[in-house]
Amino acid sequence: DAGITQSPRHKVTETGTPVTLRCHQTENHRYMYWYRQDPGHGLRLIHYSYGVKDTDKGEVSDGYSVSRSKTEDFLLTLESATSSQTSVYFCAISDRDPSYNEQFFGPGTRLTVL
Amino acid sequence: QQPVQSPQAVILREGEDAVINCSSSKALYSVHWYRQKHGEAPVFLMILLKGGEQKGHEKISASFNEKKQQSSLYLTASQLSYSGTYFCGTANNNNDMRFGAGTRLTVKP
Repeated sequence: DAGITQSPRHKVTETGTPVTLRCHQTENHRYMYWYRQDPGHGLRLIHYSYGVKDTDKGEVSDGYSVSRSKTEDFLLTLESATSSQTSVYFCAISDRDPSYNEQFFGPGTRLTVL
Repeated sequence: QQPVQSPQAVILREGEDAVINCSSSKALYSVHWYRQKHGEAPVFLMILLKGGEQKGHEKISASFNEKKQQSSLYLTASQLSYSGTYFCGTANNNNDMRFGAGTRLTVKP
């Protein structure tokens, strides 16, 4: 299994508070992704990174920011959490262009915003 | 735009076959298939590329019709372990991956 960890695994927070989720990999893969998963929507891309300090927006990026200062870490920040951001968040990595290669997913973080 | 999967759910008996379909309104570079069991992360099954190349699971087959922007996943002689939710993902330019809403497959003894 690819070495991907996510922290925390579960979090409950209140509306309006900032939240940071961490994805850590030991595979030295170039590409890293953040997805959210909600019933009826499958996986939706929030942000992705194609190298250290190189990031771009996905289809549901509003209300989220990311940072990647090291190859192994990709942080997702909810600037001011809202109830609509209650979801399961998955990080994924890929060593080459993920359009043509598999992605490996982390175990997920279940976030509840009250 | 998300690809559309059908059916949304299917129930099989062990040994039966199933087909899961995925279609997109945009031209595709590739189609990816993943399986996710309840409470777990999605796991890679297969990638189908333009030009006919495939990478992936030895026991699973799939097709990719580039002109129709459609893909089908074929699960034959299903086993209990095949149960889960299957997602197709489509890529129409670099790094822009979109996943369908999923097809829930239940295999019963």
